[in-house]
Amino acid sequence: EPEVTQTPSHQVTQMGQEVILRCVPISNHLYFYWYRQILGQKVEFLVSFYNNEISEKSEIFDDQFSVERPDGSNFTLKIRSTKLEDSAMYFCASSVLARQASTDTQYFGPGTRLTVL
Amino acid sequence: SQQGEEDPQALSIQEGENATMNCSYKTSINNLQWYRQNSGRGLVHLILIRSNEREKHSGRLRVTLDTSKKSSSLLITASRAADTASYFCATVLRMFSGGYNKLIFGAGTRLAVHP
Repeated sequence: EPEVTQTPSHQVTQMGQEVILRCVPISNHLYFYWYRQILGQKVEFLVSFYNNEISEKSEIFDDQFSVERPDGSNFTLKIRSTKLEDSAMYFCASSVLARQASTDTQYFGPGTRLTVL
Repeated sequence: SQQGEEDPQALSIQEGENATMNCSYKTSINNLQWYRQNSGRGLVHLILIRSNEREKHSGRLRVTLDTSKKSSSLLITASRAADTASYFCATVLRMFSGGYNKLIFGAGTRLAVHP
């Protein structure tokens, strides 16, 4: 069964460093998302991406964050200058964008645990 | 409170018992989805129920939706130790302008099933 994959599974970085989290969405999916989950807290929406542009972003997704689909398969989240509070599990998700949005299921990857020291 | 609040926060039961988790939300939704998360792992999609549906089944899972009360419940029947996980409801808001499909998650219910 097709699945969303993410690399790396765990990333440790120093505060102020740039990190790139990578995702390979399911191949026929058109809509891509990033979410994050700080330890012990809710899963929070960061950004959605469709047709090579950001569809929607949350307040969390400030100028330090960017997303890109550099080729036909990868979808990346870049954090330019990491802060301690960026430590979290980052999930990529994708959906096929069903004709009826009411049935559009998002499939999540296993996550990348980002630790900022 | 925020969109998507589950209760109870934690539930501990014996194998074979049924587990019921509830979710409430604030604003009109397009659909509501339930996800499962094993400790420290990814989110696994369990079931989606549309705003015009009242009940849905998938194996040992039964989901109900009451849009008048803005609430949903997830029932796991004949629970197994392997069902031990956190369960989250997530709503997709109804966007009259067309809109997008971001999920808004609740805080989750931690279910422990003891052998």
